[in-house]
Amino acid sequence: DVKVTQSSRYLVKRTGEKVFLECVQDMDHENMFWYRQDPGLGLRLIYFSYDVKMKEKGDIPEGYSVSREKKERFSLILESASTNQTSMYLCASSPSGGPVGDTQYFGPGTRLTVL
Amino acid sequence: AQKITQTQPGMFVQEKEAVTLDCTYDTSDQSYGLFWYKQPSSGEMIFLIYQGSYDEQNATEGRYSLNFQKARKSANLVISASQLGDSAMYFCAMREPDSNYQLIWGAGTKLIIKP
Repeated sequence: DVKVTQSSRYLVKRTGEKVFLECVQDMDHENMFWYRQDPGLGLRLIYFSYDVKMKEKGDIPEGYSVSREKKERFSLILESASTNQTSMYLCASSPSGGPVGDTQYFGPGTRLTVL
Repeated sequence: AQKITQTQPGMFVQEKEAVTLDCTYDTSDQSYGLFWYKQPSSGEMIFLIYQGSYDEQNATEGRYSLNFQKARKSANLVISASQLGDSAMYFCAMREPDSNYQLIWGAGTKLIIKP
């Protein structure tokens, strides 16, 4: 089974703090993704990476950065957390090509609250 | 324009009944993939089923089947013999060939199974 883990299920931070959200997958997938999910707005892609050290902006990259130094790990960084970044953050990974059309497999999510 | 439309924001269904969740999509590509995911209240996004645009048969996975009507551009999820544990949000998503592995997501349908 594909396993995607995220470092925290719940996180509370203060405005202005630097926040790291870690995601690790154990299936040697090339692609990794960070989404945020807000009520009424659905899933919105923040960043994705298709290879080590490669990254692409998604729909809402402002206020975020990412790091992928190893294939299995994809980190989302909030340089200076703000209250409007309070959200559910979901990490996903997918293989490149394959019989199931690059299915994305998700971690359990991190509910981040910024006070 | 919306590429993935889920017209049912919420549904109530009696336990043991079958349920159909609607999804229509918009693409000009001939090759694409369609996905359904389930998100229980715990937050994790769980992959349910995949249909490729060239697949001649409707996809099935246990109690889940995908009613794929290509000419109508619809990919409805059918859950047979619903169970209380099926209560969750359900998301339809699409991957197009030039999308850089990204998925386009619908807004979701909240399904509640009544005992």
